[in-house]
Amino acid sequence: GAVVSQHPSWVICKSGTSVKIECRSLDFQATTMFWYRQFPKQSLMLMATSNEGSKATYEQGVEKDKFLINHASLTLSTLTVTSAHPEDSSFYICSARLGTGLSSYNEQFFGPGTRLTVL
Amino acid sequence: AQSVTQLGSHVSVSEGALVLLRCNYSSSVPPYLFWYVQYPNQGLQLLLKYTSAATLVKGINGFEAEFKKSETSFHLTKPSAHMSDAAEYFCAVTHTGGFKTIFGAGTRLFVKA
Repeated sequence: GAVVSQHPSWVICKSGTSVKIECRSLDFQATTMFWYRQFPKQSLMLMATSNEGSKATYEQGVEKDKFLINHASLTLSTLTVTSAHPEDSSFYICSARLGTGLSSYNEQFFGPGTRLTVL
Repeated sequence: AQSVTQLGSHVSVSEGALVLLRCNYSSSVPPYLFWYVQYPNQGLQLLLKYTSAATLVKGINGFEAEFKKSETSFHLTKPSAHMSDAAEYFCAVTHTGGFKTIFGAGTRLFVKA
């Protein structure tokens, strides 16, 4: 099956620093990738939809200047948490959509997640 | 708008007993429905999916789910629970061509020896 990787799997940083998380589709091209945030014992909340070669679409309430998303190639999307603060500590999960057409079955494949801890 | 409701944030069963995790959805268009499992500090693994074919869907690890349009439900079942089934389970909905997947709040399954 399709594999999505994330790097790093965990990161600890100081408040005020920026952290970049990579999401890669290893064996398929993904025109669309998604970024989710998951707080402890809660569900996944969609942060943004990332389309290759264009600007990401952010969900309501997500600061686009805080969470910078770049989808420069069909296999890589990055999420940069800028000027991180303790409240940004969370589990970040990406997914990549298989299929390019609007009417195609759009199964998503999820990465293993990145645990961010901001001190 | 689409939404997913999972009834019961926690479900506890004995090993060997029936597992039933409930999911109801709301969608104005024909939905695609999914069940995912998440183990601690890991990503999501797809258990099964409904994509408008057979209403009874069989997935991995002995799980299955039945799409009931009249009840707007997609409950997940497994005849006999195993200790390794203990995890968080998420029901999710999207629709044809949709770029957003909406997740339920999740149900934590506990399996007692």
